[in-house]
Amino acid sequence: EIVLMQSPGTLSLSPGERATLSCRASQSVSSNYLAWYQQKPGQAPRLLIYGASSRATGIPDRFSGSGSGTDFTLTISRLEPEDFAVYYCQLYGSSPTYTFGQGTKLEIK
Amino acid sequence: EVQLVESGGGSVQPGGSLRLSCAASGFTFRSSRMNWVRQAPGKGLEWVSYISSNTDTVDYADSVKGRFTISRDNGKNSLYLQMNSLRAEDTAVYYCAREATYHYYMDVWGKGTTVTVSS
Repeated sequence: EIVLMQSPGTLSLSPGERATLSCRASQSVSSNYLAWYQQKPGQAPRLLIYGASSRATGIPDRFSGSGSGTDFTLTISRLEPEDFAVYYCQLYGSSPTYTFGQGTKLEIK
Repeated sequence: EVQLVESGGGSVQPGGSLRLSCAASGFTFRSSRMNWVRQAPGKGLEWVSYISSNTDTVDYADSVKGRFTISRDNGKNSLYLQMNSLRAEDTAVYYCAREATYHYYMDVWGKGTTVTVSS
């Protein structure tokens, strides 16, 4: 079973700064199977990035994804107040069908 | 409008059962692969179960295997999760989520229904 490790656990930044979130897989995976979600308190997760680097419909271009193999990154170029949330990476596999990372909390500094 | 609405959550004693439902609208449910994902209080997301569009493939997280059963009724545009032998650690918000067609991520989520297992 492939494990996803996200780092850091908490990231404290100010609006306007650049955020870099990491997701590392325990073995090499296909980029096609890696997605990122944003979750705000009391809300369902929202798809941001799929296929490691494709933005979902309606997602601002300040969000970008990159990576391959075992290392993937979600970058938010200039933080807006509404971007402070928890971010999860997710991997599609054979069984279990899906695996989530433990999440990175992006908080206002 | 594409929408998923969960129901059936509530409070139950350890060892009890609950059946969650998820009503789909605004898209072709019978063609969609579906999932249940849960989130314990203050914790991260945990994938629970998957079902293919024609029900020929199902999968479960090890934590629920043998206790939970996923099913669907394409005629009623509905997804279900039968939860038996519930434990305190099953306490969570349960979300149903659609898997994007021909892709490997969840593009539509419901708002969730809360399950509390406590004596």
